[in-house]
Amino acid sequence: DTAVSQTPKYLVTQMGNDKSIKCEQNLGHDTMYWYKQDSKKFLKIMFSYNNKELIINETVPNRFSPKSPDKAHLNLHINSLELGDSAVYFCASSQGQGQFFGPGTRLTVL
Amino acid sequence: DAKTTQPPSMDCAEGRAANLPCNHSTISGNEYVYWYRQIHSQGPQYIIHGLKNNETNEMASLIITEDRKSSTLILPHATLRDTAVYYCIVSGTSGTYKYIFGTGTRLKVLA
Repeated sequence: DTAVSQTPKYLVTQMGNDKSIKCEQNLGHDTMYWYKQDSKKFLKIMFSYNNKELIINETVPNRFSPKSPDKAHLNLHINSLELGDSAVYFCASSQGQGQFFGPGTRLTVL
Repeated sequence: DAKTTQPPSMDCAEGRAANLPCNHSTISGNEYVYWYRQIHSQGPQYIIHGLKNNETNEMASLIITEDRKSSTLILPHATLRDTAVYYCIVSGTSGTYKYIFGTGTRLKVLA
């Protein structure tokens, strides 16, 4: 069973479009995260939610809006996509020690 | 900025021990040392963590110096599948702490 899953795995879209990435964890963790890994391979945190409440927001443009319908899900919606949004987006979850990461979603904006 | 510094790359012969160093001289008393690795473009994989005592699990051993300003991750018998980027991170344990990933060490295991 996959602990942290993301859909889709690949996403190719045009500039200006709106898209969503979904994340689900079946580990019963209270905290979930979104990270962005750019073309230079730098991995940076974007958001963190604990029990559906936003606790970390790393000055991400407000075109990015996370949504947590319940503590097992943390979705990422991106409005008005730009070329610079092209990256791999990773979801993660934790309960105290250690974070468990999903397989990533590769977003390509044309 | 990352709170850790690591060598950018290392090579290790297959079957030998891989020793990956990490400096974290500004670590706080309540911060743990975590190690993760990222194989190709997969999601980072948790390896091990520790506070001040040395730790060992089925994947690796973690040696933390007495002053906690540096640590070493040891893969006792490296295999080709251990080729990856290894990240050392210092962080607290609650959800309000965030991981700050540095550039990591690219370990290449040679046949």
